[in-house]
Amino acid sequence: GEDVEQSLFLSVREGDSSVINCTYTDSSSTYLYWYKQEPGAGLQLLTYIFSNMDMKQDQRLTVLLNKKDKHLSLRIADTQTGDSAIYFCAEKGSNYQLIWGAGTKLIIKP
Amino acid sequence: DTAVSQTPKYLVTQMGNDKSIKCEQNLGHDTMYWYKQDSKKFLKIMFSYNNKELIINETVPNRFSPKSPDKAHLNLHINSLELGDSAVYFCASSQEVTGLRRGYTFGSGTRLTVV
Repeated sequence: GEDVEQSLFLSVREGDSSVINCTYTDSSSTYLYWYKQEPGAGLQLLTYIFSNMDMKQDQRLTVLLNKKDKHLSLRIADTQTGDSAIYFCAEKGSNYQLIWGAGTKLIIKP
Repeated sequence: DTAVSQTPKYLVTQMGNDKSIKCEQNLGHDTMYWYKQDSKKFLKIMFSYNNKELIINETVPNRFSPKSPDKAHLNLHINSLELGDSAVYFCASSQEVTGLRRGYTFGSGTRLTVV
């Protein structure tokens, strides 16, 4: 069935790069997404990538897609304390819904 | 000018009570959703409506009943609340049913605590 997996925690030092990884199972997915959830808030769309792209860059964010390995990553350059949040990977599944990963909590060390 | 707004933000109630959570979107989106996020932050879809018509109805207890009076509103009514219903409930909306290019827009959540 459709499944999205990501590790639950990532700890990085302020100023370093963070790389959050995600694997998915549906090779026919057209869109893949990264969402950010700050404490006590809803989910906010950070970025998305279309399946015919390998990479997408937006300021400090870089998304890499490896379709062969069904692997998606989100790199945050120069990680700041404001980047502390839970990051959800999602793929467009069947039946009009998004299939969600469990979320990766990004912890920033000073 | 909030895009997806849900009320109330917090709801504390006793077991056995009936409660409703309201959601409204002013984005002109065609599809609306209810999600449940448990204490481990796992997201589970509950319902989805497209133009007031139910299109996703996942396995949830029939104590949960969605109501969509128009395409801008999707309310969630819960009967006979149980301790296990405690969670954060998110409303979301999207523009395309099949494309989902822009993903979902989420409300800020309703934290339900059943005591």
